[in-house]
This record gives sequence, structure tokens and C-alpha cells, in this order.
Amino acid sequence: DTEVTQTPKHLVMGMTNKKSLKCEQHMGHRAMYWYKQKAKKPPELMFVYSYEKLSINESVPSRFSPECPNSSLLNLHLHALQPEDSALYLCASSQGGVRYEQYFGPGTRLTVT
Amino acid sequence: LAKTTQPISMDSYEGQEVNITCSHNNIATNDYITWYQQFPSQGPRFIIQGYKTKVTNEVASLFIPADRKSSTLSLPRVSLSDTAVYYCLVGDHLSGSTLGRLYFGRGTQLTVWP
Repeated sequence: DTEVTQTPKHLVMGMTNKKSLKCEQHMGHRAMYWYKQKAKKPPELMFVYSYEKLSINESVPSRFSPECPNSSLLNLHLHALQPEDSALYLCASSQGGVRYEQYFGPGTRLTVT
Repeated sequence: LAKTTQPISMDSYEGQEVNITCSHNNIATNDYITWYQQFPSQGPRFIIQGYKTKVTNEVASLFIPADRKSSTLSLPRVSLSDTAVYYCLVGDHLSGSTLGRLYFGRGTQLTVWP
């Protein structure tokens, strides 16, 4: 199984809402990633988890809060977002290190109203 | 961090070979070159990776000259379904870590016409 799943597929939320994005992989990968992608732009790295610990935070605003409950799950908790946070949020996993390909999920299309 | 430069767009016709060149002048000794493909509203998909010379898999070939300051992704006999954005990435190895980061450049929009 080389699939990374993400739920929900689409999410619309108000600026005062709290919501969470979920990502799951069962490939035994030790590294998991969150990316943000705006329309017509390349994916931008947000967070990297390694062995369930946050290893990289690319200066992401605190209204985005990642969580890795176990080696297969990665969550992104959203609170008090702004309309400019509307984007496709992509999760990926890999064995770690640039020698290993990253497997991406289909993404969650987030719209903040 | 090695920056990559690619053409913004390319057009081709079905059945032709497509070569997309990427420039990465300040690539580091330990960096690998990786190419990803992305269709609209989908996550990127790994195509191929190399360090030097030539790498070939069932989908594409990757040519890397001796100085490694550029690389060329070659897609043989493209079809309409190859219409996508192609990203060239050079891995950034964190000091003391094997995690690395992948920074996506602007990518090349390849459009294949019938």
C-alpha cells in the first residue's frame, strides 16, 4: 500500500472556527510533511515530523498547529484562519531524507470565509 | 540552498519526445536531483531521481552532466495524459540530519496537444 489518505477532501470554514485536517499512511514511513499550495504556485513546506516529533517548522503562524499522534497519523489543527489561508493542503510521507521519494496525498481544499 | 530554474511552460504534440531542462548552478556535493509531476488538484508524484550521469526508469530518463549544474528530464513519446506541471528539485540536507527538505521551484507547465 503506497497510499497517503487525507480527509476531508474539501473544507469550508469561517474565521472563528476550529477545524482539523487528517492525514494517514501505512507504509511505515518515519517522516511526514505538511505543505500548503496556493493556486498556480508550487507547494510550500510547512512542517516536518520525524519519528513523531516536530523537526521542522517553516515559520508557520501559530493558527496552524500540527500534531502527530502516532507513526501513521498526522493532523493539522486550524484556528482563527484568514481568507488568505485558503489553499490546497498536502500531506506527504517518506522514509526520510532527500534520497527517498515523498508520497503525497490528494490534498484538502480549504476555503476560509 | 540550491535554487532551480526551469522554463515556465512548454508545448508538445502526442508521440513526441519532450526534454525539460533545469538549471541548478549552486548544487551542493551531497545534493540529489529529483523530479516530480503534478496534475491539477492532486499531490505531486515522484518521477525520477539522480545524482550524476544518466538514470532511466519506466517513465522517464534523467540526464545529468559531469558538472551537475543542470539536468534534463526526458519524456519519451508523450501523450495527452502527460499534460501536467513538472518540478525539478534539489534536496537540501540539514546539518546533522538526514531529513532534508524539498523546495519546489515554479515548475514547468507541459501541455501536450493532439
